[in-house]
Amino acid sequence: GAVVSQHPSRVICKSGTSVKIECRSLDFQATTMFWYRQFPKKSLMLMATSNEGSKATYEQGVEKDKFLINHASLTLSTLTVTSAHPEDSSFYICSARDSLGGQTEAFFGQGTRLTVV
Amino acid sequence: GQNIDQPTEMTATEGAIVQINCTYQTSGFNGLFWYQQHAGEAPTFLSYNVLDGLEEKGRFSSFLSRSKGYSYLLLKELQMKDSASYLCAVMDSNYQLIWGAGTKLIIKP
Repeated sequence: GAVVSQHPSRVICKSGTSVKIECRSLDFQATTMFWYRQFPKKSLMLMATSNEGSKATYEQGVEKDKFLINHASLTLSTLTVTSAHPEDSSFYICSARDSLGGQTEAFFGQGTRLTVV
Repeated sequence: GQNIDQPTEMTATEGAIVQINCTYQTSGFNGLFWYQQHAGEAPTFLSYNVLDGLEEKGRFSSFLSRSKGYSYLLLKELQMKDSASYLCAVMDSNYQLIWGAGTKLIIKP
Protein backbone atom coordinates (compact mmCIF):
# COMPACT_ATOMS: atom_id res chain seq x y z
CA GLY A 1 0.00 0.00 0.00
CA ALA A 2 0.89 3.66 -0.19
CA VAL A 3 3.28 5.02 2.43
CA VAL A 4 2.98 8.21 4.41
CA SER A 5 5.96 9.19 6.50
CA GLN A 6 5.47 11.50 9.46
CA HIS A 7 8.36 13.06 11.34
CA PRO A 8 9.25 13.33 14.15
CA SER A 9 7.55 10.47 15.97
CA ARG A 10 8.14 12.06 19.35
CA VAL A 11 9.06 15.58 20.36
CA ILE A 12 9.40 17.35 23.66
CA CYS A 13 9.52 21.12 23.61
CA LYS A 14 9.49 23.97 26.06
CA SER A 15 6.41 26.06 26.57
CA GLY A 16 6.41 29.06 24.25
CA THR A 17 8.45 27.48 21.49
CA SER A 18 7.22 26.29 18.10
CA VAL A 19 7.29 22.76 16.73
CA LYS A 20 7.05 21.65 13.12
CA ILE A 21 5.69 18.25 12.13
CA GLU A 22 6.25 16.95 8.61
CA CYS A 23 4.06 14.59 6.65
CA ARG A 24 5.33 13.12 3.37
CA SER A 25 3.68 10.82 0.87
CA LEU A 26 6.43 8.59 -0.46
CA ASP A 27 4.90 6.91 -3.50
CA PHE A 28 1.81 8.85 -4.49
CA GLN A 29 0.64 12.40 -4.93
CA ALA A 30 -1.07 13.63 -1.79
CA THR A 31 -3.46 16.13 -3.29
CA THR A 32 -5.36 16.24 -0.03
CA MET A 33 -3.88 16.10 3.46
CA PHE A 34 -5.76 15.79 6.72
CA TRP A 35 -4.38 16.69 10.12
CA TYR A 36 -5.86 15.06 13.20
CA ARG A 37 -5.37 15.37 16.90
CA GLN A 38 -6.09 12.57 19.31
CA PHE A 39 -6.69 13.01 23.00
CA PRO A 40 -6.26 10.04 25.33
CA LYS A 41 -9.13 7.55 25.06
CA LYS A 42 -10.91 9.69 22.50
CA SER A 43 -11.46 9.48 18.79
CA LEU A 44 -9.47 11.34 16.21
CA MET A 45 -10.45 14.98 15.89
CA LEU A 46 -10.03 16.50 12.46
CA MET A 47 -8.16 19.77 12.76
CA ALA A 48 -7.90 20.84 9.15
CA THR A 49 -7.98 19.74 5.54
CA SER A 50 -5.55 21.05 3.01
CA ASN A 51 -5.42 20.71 -0.74
CA GLU A 52 -2.08 21.19 -2.45
CA GLY A 53 -1.47 24.80 -3.33
CA SER A 54 -4.47 26.10 -1.39
CA LYS A 55 -5.01 27.43 2.08
CA ALA A 56 -6.06 24.88 4.63
CA THR A 57 -9.66 24.65 5.77
CA TYR A 58 -9.81 24.54 9.54
CA GLU A 59 -12.49 22.89 11.60
CA GLN A 60 -14.52 24.98 14.00
CA GLY A 61 -12.67 25.68 17.20
CA VAL A 62 -9.19 25.11 15.75
CA GLU A 63 -7.01 28.21 15.86
CA LYS A 64 -5.45 28.66 12.45
CA ASP A 65 -2.86 31.12 13.75
CA LYS A 66 -1.71 28.59 16.30
CA PHE A 67 -1.71 25.52 14.07
CA LEU A 68 -0.09 26.61 10.84
CA ILE A 69 -0.51 24.20 7.96
CA ASN A 70 1.49 24.37 4.77
CA HIS A 71 0.84 22.10 1.80
CA ALA A 72 3.11 23.58 -0.81
CA SER A 73 3.89 20.41 -2.73
CA LEU A 74 2.15 17.21 -3.74
CA THR A 75 4.26 15.15 -1.38
CA LEU A 76 4.74 17.32 1.69
CA SER A 77 2.55 19.00 4.26
CA THR A 78 3.69 20.54 7.52
CA LEU A 79 1.90 21.39 10.73
CA THR A 80 3.56 23.98 12.94
CA VAL A 81 2.35 24.34 16.50
CA THR A 82 3.27 27.91 17.39
CA SER A 83 3.90 29.14 20.90
CA ALA A 84 3.15 25.70 22.28
CA HIS A 85 1.60 25.28 25.71
CA PRO A 86 1.20 22.18 27.87
CA GLU A 87 -2.44 21.84 26.79
CA ASP A 88 -1.19 21.34 23.23
CA SER A 89 0.42 18.08 24.31
CA SER A 90 -1.25 15.41 22.25
CA PHE A 91 -0.87 12.84 19.51
CA TYR A 92 -0.96 14.46 16.08
CA ILE A 93 -1.62 12.33 12.99
CA CYS A 94 -1.63 13.21 9.33
CA SER A 95 -3.29 11.33 6.55
CA ALA A 96 -2.98 11.78 2.84
CA ARG A 97 -5.15 11.00 -0.12
CA ASP A 98 -4.75 11.27 -3.84
CA SER A 99 -8.16 12.82 -4.34
CA LEU A 100 -7.56 13.68 -7.99
CA GLY A 101 -6.50 10.13 -8.73
CA GLY A 102 -9.77 8.76 -7.40
CA GLN A 103 -8.16 7.26 -4.34
CA THR A 104 -10.79 6.75 -1.67
CA GLU A 105 -8.61 5.44 1.12
CA ALA A 106 -6.62 7.85 3.22
CA PHE A 107 -3.21 6.64 4.32
CA PHE A 108 -1.93 7.58 7.72
CA GLY A 109 1.41 8.75 8.97
CA GLN A 110 2.87 7.13 12.04
CA GLY A 111 1.81 10.00 14.28
CA THR A 112 3.74 12.47 16.40
CA ARG A 113 3.54 12.51 20.16
CA LEU A 114 4.06 16.09 21.29
CA THR A 115 4.85 16.85 24.89
CA VAL A 116 5.09 20.49 25.94
CA VAL A 117 6.85 21.07 29.25
CA GLY B 1 -25.58 16.58 12.99
CA GLN B 2 -23.23 13.79 12.09
CA ASN B 3 -22.91 10.90 14.46
CA ILE B 4 -21.17 7.56 14.60
CA ASP B 5 -21.86 5.12 17.42
CA GLN B 6 -19.89 2.06 18.41
CA PRO B 7 -19.50 0.29 21.76
CA THR B 8 -16.84 1.65 24.06
CA GLU B 9 -15.34 -1.66 25.08
CA MET B 10 -15.71 -5.35 24.34
CA THR B 11 -14.05 -8.44 25.77
CA ALA B 12 -13.56 -11.73 23.97
CA THR B 13 -11.61 -14.95 24.37
CA GLU B 14 -8.60 -16.01 22.32
CA GLY B 15 -9.70 -18.23 19.44
CA ALA B 16 -13.29 -16.99 19.52
CA ILE B 17 -15.25 -14.68 17.21
CA VAL B 18 -16.28 -11.11 17.98
CA GLN B 19 -18.52 -8.66 16.13
CA ILE B 20 -18.08 -4.92 16.58
CA ASN B 21 -21.08 -2.87 15.48
CA CYS B 22 -21.16 0.65 14.12
CA THR B 23 -24.18 2.80 13.35
CA TYR B 24 -23.95 6.13 11.59
CA GLN B 25 -25.85 9.24 10.60
CA THR B 26 -23.91 11.46 8.24
CA SER B 27 -24.46 14.07 5.58
CA GLY B 28 -23.82 11.99 2.52
CA PHE B 29 -22.01 8.70 2.25
CA ASN B 30 -18.91 7.84 0.29
CA GLY B 31 -17.89 4.70 2.07
CA LEU B 32 -17.24 3.27 5.51
CA PHE B 33 -13.84 2.37 6.86
CA TRP B 34 -12.62 0.23 9.70
CA TYR B 35 -9.24 0.93 11.24
CA GLN B 36 -7.25 -0.84 13.91
CA GLN B 37 -5.27 1.23 16.37
CA HIS B 38 -2.82 -0.08 18.94
CA ALA B 39 -2.12 2.22 21.86
CA GLY B 40 0.26 5.00 20.95
CA GLU B 41 0.27 4.21 17.26
CA ALA B 42 -1.49 5.63 14.22
CA PRO B 43 -4.53 3.76 12.90
CA THR B 44 -4.00 1.13 10.24
CA PHE B 45 -6.51 0.41 7.52
CA LEU B 46 -8.57 -2.78 7.79
CA SER B 47 -11.46 -2.50 5.35
CA TYR B 48 -13.55 -0.28 3.12
CA ASN B 49 -17.22 -0.82 2.23
CA VAL B 50 -19.20 1.33 -0.15
CA LEU B 51 -21.76 -1.21 -1.37
CA ASP B 52 -24.09 -3.29 0.77
CA GLY B 53 -22.87 -6.70 1.74
CA LEU B 54 -20.00 -8.56 3.29
CA GLU B 55 -16.34 -8.05 2.44
CA GLU B 56 -14.07 -10.82 3.65
CA LYS B 57 -10.34 -10.41 4.11
CA GLY B 58 -8.71 -13.26 5.94
CA ARG B 59 -9.74 -13.37 9.58
CA PHE B 60 -11.48 -10.01 9.27
CA SER B 61 -14.80 -9.34 7.55
CA SER B 62 -16.82 -6.15 7.30
CA PHE B 63 -20.51 -5.78 6.53
CA LEU B 64 -22.48 -2.75 5.39
CA SER B 65 -26.16 -1.89 5.15
CA ARG B 66 -26.58 1.62 3.81
CA SER B 67 -30.36 1.64 4.26
CA LYS B 68 -29.92 0.90 7.96
CA GLY B 69 -26.85 3.07 8.47
CA TYR B 70 -25.14 0.05 9.96
CA SER B 71 -21.88 -1.80 9.68
CA TYR B 72 -20.05 -4.44 11.63
CA LEU B 73 -16.51 -5.73 11.78
CA LEU B 74 -16.21 -9.46 12.39
CA LEU B 75 -12.97 -10.87 13.76
CA LYS B 76 -12.49 -14.64 13.70
CA GLU B 77 -9.94 -16.88 15.40
CA LEU B 78 -9.00 -14.11 17.76
CA GLN B 79 -5.36 -13.71 18.70
CA MET B 80 -3.87 -11.80 21.59
CA LYS B 81 -2.37 -9.31 19.14
CA ASP B 82 -5.90 -8.34 18.10
CA SER B 83 -6.23 -6.47 21.38
CA ALA B 84 -6.56 -2.90 20.14
CA SER B 85 -9.07 -0.17 19.48
CA TYR B 86 -11.20 -0.52 16.37
CA LEU B 87 -12.34 2.69 14.77
CA CYS B 88 -15.32 3.05 12.46
CA ALA B 89 -15.19 6.03 10.11
CA VAL B 90 -17.58 7.25 7.42
CA MET B 91 -16.56 9.39 4.46
CA ASP B 92 -19.17 12.07 4.04
CA SER B 93 -20.28 13.99 0.96
CA ASN B 94 -17.22 16.26 1.25
CA TYR B 95 -14.92 13.24 1.31
CA GLN B 96 -13.96 13.89 4.90
CA LEU B 97 -13.76 11.10 7.42
CA ILE B 98 -16.15 11.25 10.36
CA TRP B 99 -14.81 9.11 13.16
CA GLY B 100 -16.45 7.02 15.84
CA ALA B 101 -14.90 7.05 19.30
CA GLY B 102 -13.50 3.57 18.83
CA THR B 103 -14.15 0.22 20.48
CA LYS B 104 -11.47 -1.09 22.80
CA LEU B 105 -11.24 -4.83 22.29
CA ILE B 106 -9.73 -6.86 25.11
CA ILE B 107 -8.69 -10.42 24.33
CA LYS B 108 -8.38 -12.85 27.22
CA PRO B 109 -6.49 -16.15 27.08
